[in-house]
Amino acid sequence: QQQVKQSPQSLIVQKGGISIINCAYENTAFDYFPWYQQFPGKGPALLIAIRPDVSEKKEGRFTISFNKSAKQFSLHIMDSQPGDSATYFCAVTDSNYQLIWGAGTKLIIKP
Amino acid sequence: NAGVMQNPRHLVRRRGQEARLRCSPMKGHSHVYWYRQLPEEGLKFMVYLQKENIIDESGMPKERFSAEFPKEGPSILRIQQVVRGDSAAYFCASSPASAARFTDTQYFGPGTRLTVL
Repeated sequence: QQQVKQSPQSLIVQKGGISIINCAYENTAFDYFPWYQQFPGKGPALLIAIRPDVSEKKEGRFTISFNKSAKQFSLHIMDSQPGDSATYFCAVTDSNYQLIWGAGTKLIIKP
Repeated sequence: NAGVMQNPRHLVRRRGQEARLRCSPMKGHSHVYWYRQLPEEGLKFMVYLQKENIIDESGMPKERFSAEFPKEGPSILRIQQVVRGDSAAYFCASSPASAARFTDTQYFGPGTRLTVL
């Protein structure tokens, strides 16, 4: 049973555009929703995270939108830059350490 | 200020051989987590260790896989009698003992890419 569904699998966006990646989850017990960024040959790095008591969190050009009733959350990258090209993973957890990961979205920003 | 270190970065083994993957956590971190990533997939939790203790190994295959985090030295993920299906990237992450919530502060290493021929 897939607990986290991430889409799209890949995404191409023009420089300056908005990149949007979506995740849907099953278990209402999840209470922490991070996004990770992974460059080729590197480990994932925490980008931004949200808890279900807020509907949106913004850090610079990165925004998480959270819809608790729909059990969905999304990552928006404003003014996308070629340096943002990477694989992005959403994750969820209801524990203090065990992250459950989406399958990833490969984002390419075209100059 | 070194981050999480993993070695080797690439490991090639033939079927039936043993693979040993090492993870040195960040300075001051006493919690280590191992994850496996298959191609085109997200990471899958394998095991959570503190110094000299396995806290949660619910994600580890029951056979051939073992992990340790000794008092001195790196954490080791050991895969005995490797099979082709073990080919994957193995990542470890570490967090400090003082972390209120470990998922907030899991820092990942660069991974070891295991190829089984």
